[in-house]
Amino acid sequence: DTEVTQTPKHLVMGMTNKKSLKCEQHMGHRAMYWYKQKAKKPPELMFVYSYEKLSINESVPSRFSPECPNSSLLNLHLHALQPEDSALYLCASSQDISVGYEQYFGPGTRLTVT
Amino acid sequence: SQELEQSPQSLIVQEGKNLTINCTSSKTLYGLYWYKQKYGEGLIFLMMLQKGGEEKSHEKITAKLDEKKQQSSLHITASQPSHAGIYLCGAAMEYGNKLVFGAGTILRVKS
Repeated sequence: DTEVTQTPKHLVMGMTNKKSLKCEQHMGHRAMYWYKQKAKKPPELMFVYSYEKLSINESVPSRFSPECPNSSLLNLHLHALQPEDSALYLCASSQDISVGYEQYFGPGTRLTVT
Repeated sequence: SQELEQSPQSLIVQEGKNLTINCTSSKTLYGLYWYKQKYGEGLIFLMMLQKGGEEKSHEKITAKLDEKKQQSSLHITASQPSHAGIYLCGAAMEYGNKLVFGAGTILRVKS
């Protein structure tokens, strides 16, 4: 089973709201990733967690706050977002953070900021 | 990403025809990944290449990594409507599984 699940599928939020995106995998993977994909663009890496610790933060604004409560779960907390943050947010996981381990992606959360 | 050039940008082929998508980097690639995406959906993992000269096949799709590990190609034989979608190459260019993606190739298959 190579399934990564993401909830919700769609999210509409105002600029003053606080919301969270959730990602889950049960493959025993120890690395988890958040990517942002704008329309007609490739995914761009935001954060990487390895063994539940934040390993990479690609200079993402603090209005995005990741959290990894356990090895199966990854959250992305959203606060005071801007309309330009509207995008498809993709979660991925891999067995390890080292090169050579394929990353499996979830279906994404389509976020619209109004 | 300009670090990874993908071509062509889009492709329309007649069902049954073969096609090739290329992915080129100016830097050595530690790992090269091919994914397929339907618009607005997640990425589906196709293949991963690491060694220079490596070639992998799955059903009608073959991917190769050149000896210098700077260029990869994805070849589809006898294309079918189910092959339609966006093909993305992703590369790990430094230690760690931090992927940079090419701009993608939109493939349409006419039946």
